[in-house]
Amino acid sequence: EAGVVQSPRYKIIEKKQPVAFWCNPISGHNTLYWYLQNLGQGPELLIRYENEEAVDDSQLPKDRFSAERLKGVDSTLKIQPAELGDSAVYLCASSATGTDTQYFGPGTRLTVL
Amino acid sequence: QQQVKQSPQSLIVQKGGISIINCAYENTAFDYFPWYQQFPGKGPALLIAIRPDVSEKKEGRFTISFNKSAKQFSLHIMDSQPGDSATYFCAAGPHSSGSARQLTFGSGTQLTVLP
Repeated sequence: EAGVVQSPRYKIIEKKQPVAFWCNPISGHNTLYWYLQNLGQGPELLIRYENEEAVDDSQLPKDRFSAERLKGVDSTLKIQPAELGDSAVYLCASSATGTDTQYFGPGTRLTVL
Repeated sequence: QQQVKQSPQSLIVQKGGISIINCAYENTAFDYFPWYQQFPGKGPALLIAIRPDVSEKKEGRFTISFNKSAKQFSLHIMDSQPGDSATYFCAAGPHSSGSARQLTFGSGTQLTVLP
């Protein structure tokens, strides 16, 4: 079974530029999460989707961050414009309905110069 | 109220020794306590999890001890091996009826097992 796929794995951009991250969850997983992981810290939830509906986006900085999950499968997280403080690893995870285990992708490491 | 405090930040253990990582929480609504293991360049992966109806859960060399009254739980790695060298995160999540749990993660412990 394929795991959670994320791309790109690494991204370097100048501040004020836009950037987008893509996630393909495990097949059949209805719940999708985007997390932010700063260096030396644990993951922090940004947004959670149940199918195509964002059910928890309270921690998403909506002035510059946006996300979508069209058709309830793949998801894209966008930052526009990026700031120096956005440098971090962006993790995507998915879980099956009625289960607790979250399966994480390898993450996208973003560096904002 | 949502914070999960994890210690130590880093841990060095000799091969064959016991590694112990501790976590404490405040939110009494938490009823699911997983531990995740993360290797460099990889995402976290579930290692073992416990619910508060038991005080201990063991899977191979990994054991979770849970103290509900103290609101603390710990991970014990017996016979630690160099391949166990990774970052370990505790997490906690509240009861959820039907929908997915929102996990709050600790800050992580970087474990190094010396050969």
